[in-house]
Amino acid sequence: NAGVMQNPRHLVRRRGQEARLRCSPMKGHSHVYWYRQLPEEGLKFMVYLQKENIIDESGMPKERFSAEFPKEGPSILRIQQVVRGDSAAYFCASSPPTRSDTQYFGPGTRLTVL
Amino acid sequence: QKEVEQNSGPLSVPEGAIASLNCTYSDRGSQSFFWYRQYSGKSPELIMFIYSNGDKEDGRFTAQLNKASQYVSLLIRDSQPSDSATYLCARGGGNEKLTFGTGTRLTIIP
Repeated sequence: NAGVMQNPRHLVRRRGQEARLRCSPMKGHSHVYWYRQLPEEGLKFMVYLQKENIIDESGMPKERFSAEFPKEGPSILRIQQVVRGDSAAYFCASSPPTRSDTQYFGPGTRLTVL
Repeated sequence: QKEVEQNSGPLSVPEGAIASLNCTYSDRGSQSFFWYRQYSGKSPELIMFIYSNGDKEDGRFTAQLNKASQYVSLLIRDSQPSDSATYLCARGGGNEKLTFGTGTRLTIIP
């Protein structure tokens, strides 16, 4: 049973470019969460999605960031016009529908903005 | 006051001893608590969760929760060098998102 999958594992972008991060939840999991971990800081919640629905986006920056979880395919976290401060590890987690706070993390995408 | 607080460490423990990691939280409405282990450069790995007051044991790990004192801890018995990692405490509040502490760095000394 494959775990949470994320790709790419490493992503390098220049300032002003777009970054697209993908996440496929564990089999049987229908809830997806995105977290960001800045260097020397804790994990910060960004957004919680179910298929075709954004449930809680209270942790998302107001501009440049968006997320989706379409009916088919992976969840995508999109960062437009990246800035150096966006450099971080972005982790996706998934949970089963019966226990939404028991979350399992993917390997993460490490974004570096030059 | 931070929602979830942990001593950042580093905490050094001799191999074979008991490592004790502590966490306090500010929201009395918190329902569930989680301990994750994170090796350097890797993703968090869920190792324990606890919902009720008291102790919960799983192998060498024991989680302890005291809701009256807003305190949760993780004990690691017979510490091994492979236990050297950062341990993240998190709380769930019924709204699905987890709120994490900044983590405690644990080093097991051979």
